[in-house]
Amino acid sequence: AQSVTQLGSHVSVSEGALVLLRCNYSSSVPPYLFWYVQYPNQGLQLLLKYTTGATLVKGINGFEAEFKKSETSFHLTKPSAHMSDAAEYFCAVSGAMDSSYKLIFGSGTRLLVRP
Amino acid sequence: GAGVSQSPSNKVTEKGKDVELRCDPISGHTALYWYRQSLGQGLEFLIYFQGNSAPDKSGLPSDRFSAERTGGSVSTLTIQRTQQEDSAVYLCASSPQGWGTDTQYFGPGTRLTVL
Repeated sequence: AQSVTQLGSHVSVSEGALVLLRCNYSSSVPPYLFWYVQYPNQGLQLLLKYTTGATLVKGINGFEAEFKKSETSFHLTKPSAHMSDAAEYFCAVSGAMDSSYKLIFGSGTRLLVRP
Repeated sequence: GAGVSQSPSNKVTEKGKDVELRCDPISGHTALYWYRQSLGQGLEFLIYFQGNSAPDKSGLPSDRFSAERTGGSVSTLTIQRTQQEDSAVYLCASSPQGWGTDTQYFGPGTRLTVL
């Protein structure tokens, strides 16, 4: 079965500082990996995804993530945090053989950005 | 173009009543998903529709939950005899083909409160 672990339910950074949100996955098959962002009272918006090919994936709003198979990780980074980045971030995996369409989500990390 | 829309945005009901939640997917998307977001359980898959295929209902938590998709477009999630533990945000998503590599586009959700 697939699963996703996000370390840290809350992460606080200063504006302009590096953002690092951690995601580890468990999957018996090559996974497809996603990062979604959720702003208050809104649905989820895709930041970026990894399916195949280049393991460093660039997304919207300056975010990027690197798929590291040896570490079963897909950490999300942004060089310089902006106040508008404050939101909840979810890592997700799909690709299970019997139901590849099903997204399995981590528990989420709330990013706080201090002025 | 228009994104995924859901109605109502908020629903307050009394325990034991039935509720219907509606989802309008992005035009042309053949796959439609329902997820539930709650404090205790995080984001959980409920049900998946793809074209004329039989839906994957494996995530429905009990037989009080049912869903249908009419004409390959609009979907309705029905909860009968609501319980307090059904209180959550119900998110609908759609995607082009229902593949594991698809980006799922989420609606803003329906917040259900069962008193």
